[in-house]
Amino acid sequence: ETGVTQTPRHLVMGMTNKKSLKCEQHLGHNAMYWYKQSAKKPLELMFVYSLEERVENNSVPSRFSPECPNSSHLFLHLHTLQPEDSALYLCASSQGTGSGANVLTFGAGSRLTVL
Amino acid sequence: GQNIDQPTEMTATEGAIVQINCTYQTSGFNGLFWYQQHAGEAPTFLSYNVLDGLEEKGRFSSFLSRSKGYSYLLLKELQMKDSASYLCAVRDSNYQLIWGAGTKLIIKP
Repeated sequence: ETGVTQTPRHLVMGMTNKKSLKCEQHLGHNAMYWYKQSAKKPLELMFVYSLEERVENNSVPSRFSPECPNSSHLFLHLHTLQPEDSALYLCASSQGTGSGANVLTFGAGSRLTVL
Repeated sequence: GQNIDQPTEMTATEGAIVQINCTYQTSGFNGLFWYQQHAGEAPTFLSYNVLDGLEEKGRFSSFLSRSKGYSYLLLKELQMKDSASYLCAVRDSNYQLIWGAGTKLIIKP
């Protein structure tokens, strides 16, 4: 496989469930990101990992818990979510996080619905 | 605060030309990006501007004026497959990406 792969593509969960989103990149990049995309709103950066160390956590509620076991894999663990957390969750990767063109390669996203 | 403004939706005709504008107010500037996102798919990189002027890449061109805080994406010879959302993003002085809400482009035959 090539690029950035996210699973599952669709997830429906109750507010008391625990689930995880998975992201895998096959590009040899050293930085990975979680974004939240809601309809008609800008992308919201949630977490950034560079060289497997978390470098950004934009005041995300603790019900979202990221995990980066190695430079190719990124997880987002979900528990006791709220209906307003329903959105498209996008994973992205890049080579570096700072200067230069630093183009992001995105996965197709996991569409989450919280009932 | 920082923000990016772009039109919510635009409609154009197949074969025509369309210009999608993006204005920004950010803390510093370290480059502007355009991404394309088809419904249900991943955003994909289109262009990057860091100096003033026009960058041309096939049917797509992107323009930047840093003094005006303004960019546009120009799409020529529109095809039905160009129906998508177009996302503008600016990297600020801390190298953080600030995103616009995206412009949904509808192409009609």
